[in-house]
Amino acid sequence: SQQGEEDPQALSIQEGENATMNCSYKTSINNLQWYRQNSGRGLVHLILIRSNEREKHSGRLRVTLDTSKKSSSLLITASRAADTASYFCATVDTGRRALTFGSGTRLQVQP
Amino acid sequence: SAVISQKPSRDICQRGTSLTIQCQVDSQVTMMFWYRQQPGQSLTLIATANQGSEATYESGFVIDKFPISRPNLTFSTLTVSNMSPEDSSIYLCSVGQGGETQYFGPGTRLLVL
Repeated sequence: SQQGEEDPQALSIQEGENATMNCSYKTSINNLQWYRQNSGRGLVHLILIRSNEREKHSGRLRVTLDTSKKSSSLLITASRAADTASYFCATVDTGRRALTFGSGTRLQVQP
Repeated sequence: SAVISQKPSRDICQRGTSLTIQCQVDSQVTMMFWYRQQPGQSLTLIATANQGSEATYESGFVIDKFPISRPNLTFSTLTVSNMSPEDSSIYLCSVGQGGETQYFGPGTRLLVL
């Protein structure tokens, strides 16, 4: 079953702008991860944030985690056309090893 | 990171038939998982493939419909049995050390007519 919702469902921006995606989840987690999927292909891992962390950076990516609100956000700065993809958050719930995915955000970056 | 291949990459099948999807990893891994992604949807876990024992299925998925084998630490198969159009999806395998980053295969795109 899906963990929760992501918003927006779809986002269209211009190259150079920032893109923010939000994810909500429902249970207690060990960590939360973000993945990218290009055109229905395999998923690529972007970043992992643990339940005791509040913010993490990786290149142009910034992830925040608020466990009290059971929510996370992914910020992509200075977006590029190559960032066009679907982005999924996924949680590792306490006591489990598999991922539970959110509903995903489709990002379109216009050149 | 692990390199994962899946066969076939895509297939078109007739209803009532079965298809076996293979997942091969370039190194030994502890955990292997199978996910389904229905058209326009997110990923849903089908089962965890256990080496040397029966797979662990998620609610809504049963062994008779999705039998899984994992004969060693680098290989697994998922069979989609007695297919119907509702089984049209992308099937993805993934590997990981359990609870950490997972690495995904390229997926098998299945269309059932």
